[in-house]
Amino acid sequence: EAGVTQFPSHSVIEKGQTVTLRCDPISGHDNLYWYRRVMGKEIKFLLHFVKESKQDESGMPNNRFLAERTGGTYSTLKVQPAELEDSGVYFCASSQIFTGVPYFGPGTRLTVT
Amino acid sequence: DQQVKQNSPSLSVQEGRISILNCDYTNSMFDYFLWYKKYPAEGPTFLISISSIKDKNEDGRFTVFLNKSAKHLSLHIVPSQPGDSAVYFCAASLNTNAGKSTFGDGTTLTVKP
Repeated sequence: EAGVTQFPSHSVIEKGQTVTLRCDPISGHDNLYWYRRVMGKEIKFLLHFVKESKQDESGMPNNRFLAERTGGTYSTLKVQPAELEDSGVYFCASSQIFTGVPYFGPGTRLTVT
Repeated sequence: DQQVKQNSPSLSVQEGRISILNCDYTNSMFDYFLWYKKYPAEGPTFLISISSIKDKNEDGRFTVFLNKSAKHLSLHIVPSQPGDSAVYFCAASLNTNAGKSTFGDGTTLTVKP
């Protein structure tokens, strides 16, 4: 069974540009989460999808971040326009049940210059 | 203010000895605690968890202890092996919603042969 995959693995963009990160959860996992780790600090929850619906987006930093999960399969996280402080590693995770322990993807390292 | 703290950024132990990783939390409402292990360029992998109704959970070489009155938990690895070298994250959640956990900054464990 394939794990959670994320694309790209690394992205370098200039301040003001747009970047879209993609996450493919484990097949059959209705719950999908996005997290961010900045500067080697804690991993912070961003949002939670149940199928295609946003269950909880309380961790989204501001309206420059837009997450979607059309069709309830893969998800995208768009940052527009990117700022320097958006640099970090963005993790996606999925779980089968609402209270299940999530399986993490390898992350996308975003560098904004 | 961080609700989950791992005050030791790094820990070095000799192979075969015990590794003890510590974690403190401030929110007394947390009811489910997890430890994740993370290798470079990979996402965190679930290691072991404990519910707030227990004070100990053991899985092979890994044991997690919870002291609710002190708001403290620890992960013991016995015996430590070089393959255990990784970053260990402590996480805490409300209503056993593991996907929306609050993480610590992580502790880098190095096990020397």
